[in-house]
Amino acid sequence: DAKTTQPNSMESNEEEPVHLPCNHSTISGTDYIHWYRQLPSQGPEYVIHGLTSNVNNRMASLAIAEDRKSSTLILHRATLRDAAVYYCILLQSSGSARQLTFGSGTQLTVLP
Amino acid sequence: NAGVTQTPKFRILKIGQSMTLQCAQDMNHNYMYWYRQDPGMGLKLIYYSVGAGITDKGEVPNGYNVSRSTTEDFPLRLELAAPSQTSVYFCASSPLRVSGSYSNQPQHFGDGTRLSIL
Repeated sequence: DAKTTQPNSMESNEEEPVHLPCNHSTISGTDYIHWYRQLPSQGPEYVIHGLTSNVNNRMASLAIAEDRKSSTLILHRATLRDAAVYYCILLQSSGSARQLTFGSGTQLTVLP
Repeated sequence: NAGVTQTPKFRILKIGQSMTLQCAQDMNHNYMYWYRQDPGMGLKLIYYSVGAGITDKGEVPNGYNVSRSTTEDFPLRLELAAPSQTSVYFCASSPLRVSGSYSNQPQHFGDGTRLSIL
């Protein structure tokens, strides 16, 4: 499976935008880019996903580089509730296994 | 909406005991998964199921068994508990996409079962 690389930790001030980077230089043409987050003592929560085009939803935006070797999760206005570990995951569109391969993720700290 | 429900939330076992972690989903999802998460680490897949009667091993299946007799339920069985199985266990489910490609269907997770084996 293609791997992803994320910074171990990032800090942001409340009410400011946050850009969480992810490198996936070995991504294949059929891999989808998924983002999940995990709040303390909770199960992971789906945030957003995309293939080639930038994506927006009520939680966040996903910016995908033209060569697809990196992507950025954008939280437009960080709140204290956004403090969590954010995971960038590649998911193949073929094959029988549908597992999410979680790395160590980025611990986001939001400062009041 | 209940979503994915896991029971119990906490459990302490003695070495060699057995137990079943329960997972139920009410979203009529075809796919169900069991993950474990060790402290400070990401999740690792134990077993998954693509539908009733069909299960398959994930990355770390040793020491566990699963069954899928209904669409809703996917219990995880520990037969001989070992200290290495102390972890937080998460169950998840996702829908099957009718068009065939289901890599863009998000997984829905339960709140986890915290298991300690002493």
